[in-house]
Amino acid sequence: DAGITQSPRYKITETGRQVTLMCHQTWSHSYMFWYRQDLGHGLRLIYYSAAADITDKGEVPDGYVVSRSKTENFPLTLESATRSQTSVYFCASSRDRNRGPRAYEQYFGPGTRLTVT
Amino acid sequence: TQLLEQSPQFLSIQEGENLTVYCNSSSVFSSLQWYRQEPGEGPVLLVTVVTGGEVKKLKRLTFQFGDARKDSSLHITAAQPGDTGLYLCAGGRTNNNDMRFGAGTRLTVKP
Repeated sequence: DAGITQSPRYKITETGRQVTLMCHQTWSHSYMFWYRQDLGHGLRLIYYSAAADITDKGEVPDGYVVSRSKTENFPLTLESATRSQTSVYFCASSRDRNRGPRAYEQYFGPGTRLTVT
Repeated sequence: TQLLEQSPQFLSIQEGENLTVYCNSSSVFSSLQWYRQEPGEGPVLLVTVVTGGEVKKLKRLTFQFGDARKDSSLHITAAQPGDTGLYLCAGGRTNNNDMRFGAGTRLTVKP
């Protein structure tokens, strides 16, 4: 039971480069989320997706692009990385909202630690 | 400003002590979740509270949802070093698909 996985776990890249973080879940959850976690800010939502081909901006979407062509995958791309995007990135998934308030429960991947030099 | 404010931000106590951490908002939530996160790992769900005034117990942890569904508290009885971690609250608002997290309370329990 793989659950939700992220790759790579660690990444160092240079300013201006494009980098893609991968997220894969095996539960067929409808919703998927990308967060960044920084000291003093907690978890901040970047983008989320309610289903394949449906994505929406969260609190801090600038500089990021997402896609969801398949239910199980939700890649996050930094088109031109900046030092301010150095962070730990978490992917999460949750069930269809039609399943009631407990559908808001999220299941997180192990995170990707990204450093932009 | 955070939609969900957690307090205290840091808490360091001795093993055996009791503690309470808080999660407050001016918004109404259809449900609130509490998560615990250890270093190098993703948050792990502890509990979901749904009904205003609801109290849920998970061994030595007691979670309460405010009557107006705007706030929540987590009380730990007789804390143990294994309780050390970052405690996060998160909420889903009615008619809103996104999720918001508080900044967390970092708890250290010393043996």
